[in-house]
Amino acid sequence: EVQLVESGGGLAQPGGSLRLSCVGSGFTFSSYSMNWVRQAPGKGLEWIAFIGSGGTTIHYADSVKGRFTISRDNAKNSLYLQLSSLREEDTAVYYCAGESTLSSPPDHWGQGTLVTVSS
Amino acid sequence: IQMTQSPSTLSASVGDRVTITCRASQSISSRLAWYQQTPGRAPKLLIYWASTLESGVPSRFSGSGSGTEFTLTISSLQPDDFAIYYCQQYQSPMYTFGQGTKLEI
Repeated sequence: EVQLVESGGGLAQPGGSLRLSCVGSGFTFSSYSMNWVRQAPGKGLEWIAFIGSGGTTIHYADSVKGRFTISRDNAKNSLYLQLSSLREEDTAVYYCAGESTLSSPPDHWGQGTLVTVSS
Repeated sequence: IQMTQSPSTLSASVGDRVTITCRASQSISSRLAWYQQTPGRAPKLLIYWASTLESGVPSRFSGSGSGTEFTLTISSLQPDDFAIYYCQQYQSPMYTFGQGTKLEI
């Protein structure tokens, strides 16, 4: 069974940093492209970052470009999101989402981890 | 690429046939997915390539369209179908979602 489990969420101060992790199991992690998608409380889904299976192709949404960094360690079946220069509007549940097939949408999602940015 | 869904809220009853529309600000060919989300849960992929049903998804769900206009149809609503539905384009490397359609009883 494909599983994605996020961790690392919590309370951070404005201007602060946080590192999210997502560990995959039950599939060949190194063959999946991966994404981070967030959802602010009571709001819709917002895609924020993509990383290809090999880690060299990376894309960001404009809302996080220059502040967030996506990375992966295929040897550890792990995906990361480094959050920096945090703002209150970054408060959201952060989901990792994997693509089992090239050029197809994310079809496997974790349960999410909550990031709260507040002083 | 901007994605616009309509309506934002849809009231219906069990057994009804409902349709949700999604419009893209430019052509996305058929690179359109539909997700279902229930409270406190992660989104679930229902349809991809505009009309291909994800494995395990009931056949009462169907999708159509190409270019800039797409629809999700549920042929006979079941109690578990009352949820929020999102479209998502994956034509551009920067994926975007519609704002969501809340399907309520």
